[in-house]
Amino acid sequence: KAGVTQTPRYLIKTRGQQVTLSCSPISGHRSVSWYQQTPGQGLQFLFEYFSETQRNKGNFPGRFSGRQFSNSRSEMNVSTLELGDSALYLCASSFRGTNTEAFFGQGTRLTVV
Amino acid sequence: GIQVEQSPPDLILQEGANSTLRCNFSDSVNNLQWFHQNPWGQLINLFYIPSGTKQNGRLSATTVATERYSLLYISSSQTTDSGVYFCAVEWANSGGSNYKLTFGKGTLLTVNP
Repeated sequence: KAGVTQTPRYLIKTRGQQVTLSCSPISGHRSVSWYQQTPGQGLQFLFEYFSETQRNKGNFPGRFSGRQFSNSRSEMNVSTLELGDSALYLCASSFRGTNTEAFFGQGTRLTVV
Repeated sequence: GIQVEQSPPDLILQEGANSTLRCNFSDSVNNLQWFHQNPWGQLINLFYIPSGTKQNGRLSATTVATERYSLLYISSSQTTDSGVYFCAVEWANSGGSNYKLTFGKGTLLTVNP
């Protein structure tokens, strides 16, 4: 059974650009969540999607957005990149998003220069 | 929201030693997971343990939900156990869910040969 797949693994972008990250959950899982990890702030929740609906959003500016497709794959977008957006972005997959085990992908390491 | 505190923040051991990592949380939870973050950043699932005790080889975990803490035991530690260990909880939020995991700041474990 394939795990959670995130693409790309590494990205280097320039300030002001935008970026799109992709996450394919484990087959049969309908919940996808996104987290940002930085040395200063640790692991912080970005948003959660279930059956194409965003059920919760973390405390991030509107430059951070996401969506989920009918096949449960999810993308997150960051527009007008800032240096502080440099981070490891992790995607988690679970069957229903609550009372169930979550599994993480390998992450996308974004560097903004 | 819920608060998650992990202790100790850093732990240095000699190979073969045993250790106990602690996770305290401030409210009722639907879910509690322990993760090990590998050098490449991926979060590896260790235990899904909202309550009770589980064992997997040299690792075991206990969650006492009524007292709002969980313990991760590592016995006969090996150098490959080095890394950061995270506790993450899903807040029960008045009997419902906010569909996200809240992470502690982690314990950095270093096992020396």
